[in-house]
Amino acid sequence: NFMLTQPHSVSESPGKTVTISCTRSSGSIASNYVQWYQQRPGSAPTTVIYEDNQRPSGVPDRFSGSIDSSSNSASLTISGLKTEDEADYYCQSYDSSNFVVFGGGTKLTVL
Amino acid sequence: EVQLVESGGGLVKPGGSLRLSCAASGFTFSNAWMSWVRQAPGKGLEWVGRIKSKTDGGTTDYAAPVKGRFTISRDDSKNTLYLQMNSLKTEDTAVYYCTTEGNSGSYPKSFDYWGQGTLVTVSS
Repeated sequence: NFMLTQPHSVSESPGKTVTISCTRSSGSIASNYVQWYQQRPGSAPTTVIYEDNQRPSGVPDRFSGSIDSSSNSASLTISGLKTEDEADYYCQSYDSSNFVVFGGGTKLTVL
Repeated sequence: EVQLVESGGGLVKPGGSLRLSCAASGFTFSNAWMSWVRQAPGKGLEWVGRIKSKTDGGTTDYAAPVKGRFTISRDDSKNTLYLQMNSLKTEDTAVYYCTTEGNSGSYPKSFDYWGQGTLVTVSS
């Protein structure tokens, strides 16, 4: 099986752009779709990106997703940061048996 | 509006059992793949397992830490998902979330909707 590694924490100022990485330990990042979930303190997760770069309805276009085969990683980019974006973000993918793999999560601080 | 409401959490002793329920509304439950995801206090998300729709075989998959101890089932007539947890360990202490899991044919796609979770505490 593989692991998805995320930075433990990132911080940026309001109005700026931040990128959170998610690196796959083995196998190609392009083998299975990557999703991103946002979890605000005390709340359940919600989906912000699915299938690498698709946004569910209601998610602002400040959120975007991508994958990079050269670094074998996926990225979540949030532009025009708002204080309400402060949350934990998790990447997620599937292995060859369709079992779920989550990244360890990244705490985004908007200060 | 999609709603998923978990219930059944609580305090249980190690070695004990507990059954969680997830009442679903706002979508065609019988067509949905459903999963349970848990989160230990202060920790990240961990997938527990899934059950496919009956039209896709109704089969289940489980993560290694719970296989053989946990059982996922569904009652499509009641729009309800269940998680039967046996031989509970202290490390099973977590908030348990019910989620819908989109699929394309036999392949899962993403967790689309999440419930608010129910807390299970395993302690003597």
